[in-house]
Amino acid sequence: QSALTQPPSASGSPGQSVAISCTGASSDFGDYNYVSWYQQHPGKAPKLVIYEVSKRPSGVPDRFSGSKSGNTASLTVSGLQAEDEADYYCSSYAGGNNYVFGTGTKVTVL
Amino acid sequence: EVQLVESGGGLVEPGGSLRLSCAASGFRFSDAWMSWVRQAPGKGLEWVGRILSKGGGGTTDFAAPVKDRFTISRDDSKNTVFLQMNSLKTEDTAMYYCTWNSKVSMFDVWGQGTTVTVSS
Repeated sequence: QSALTQPPSASGSPGQSVAISCTGASSDFGDYNYVSWYQQHPGKAPKLVIYEVSKRPSGVPDRFSGSKSGNTASLTVSGLQAEDEADYYCSSYAGGNNYVFGTGTKVTVL
Repeated sequence: EVQLVESGGGLVEPGGSLRLSCAASGFRFSDAWMSWVRQAPGKGLEWVGRILSKGGGGTTDFAAPVKDRFTISRDDSKNTVFLQMNSLKTEDTAMYYCTWNSKVSMFDVWGQGTTVTVSS
């Protein structure tokens, strides 16, 4: 199964918003809304920031939001802060006991 | 505090074997579905495989690149999950993360990872 497609990079100034897309085939998403997003700082383990398309785990700022339309999911980080500079990965579970991750997007805070 | 601690990584020659361990604490491990995710140097994340809880059938599933070479097992008495890697290839070189699937839809707790290098 191929990785979900994300743009290699995205950037924004402090206080601005940045949106990251995550595109796959319909079979990658299935009939589930099981898209999740992970933030990874250099040398660190990934951290869950969005699950089931738009839900935020406890402790994740509401600056992080998610959505999905058709075969494209999106993560938006509003009010960019320096600590948001990291790599971001989407992931989907489409049934068949298989998970797929996105190619990853490096977010730079200018 | 929920915590996952991996161990067992190292340098191994192509064709060799290695067993990784992941010690869990802070949650009801016996009910947990656990996954392994890897990341090759400078590359993205790749799901490796998953084991269900014994109550969920205890079954395992694997990604195509590792199927028939890797196995996952668990010892609920020790709150530990294992990744047995056989017939290792250079392309298996990666950081290996243990994760907890508190829901089927996500990997919500990650360990710090353990590095596996396959090289002659």
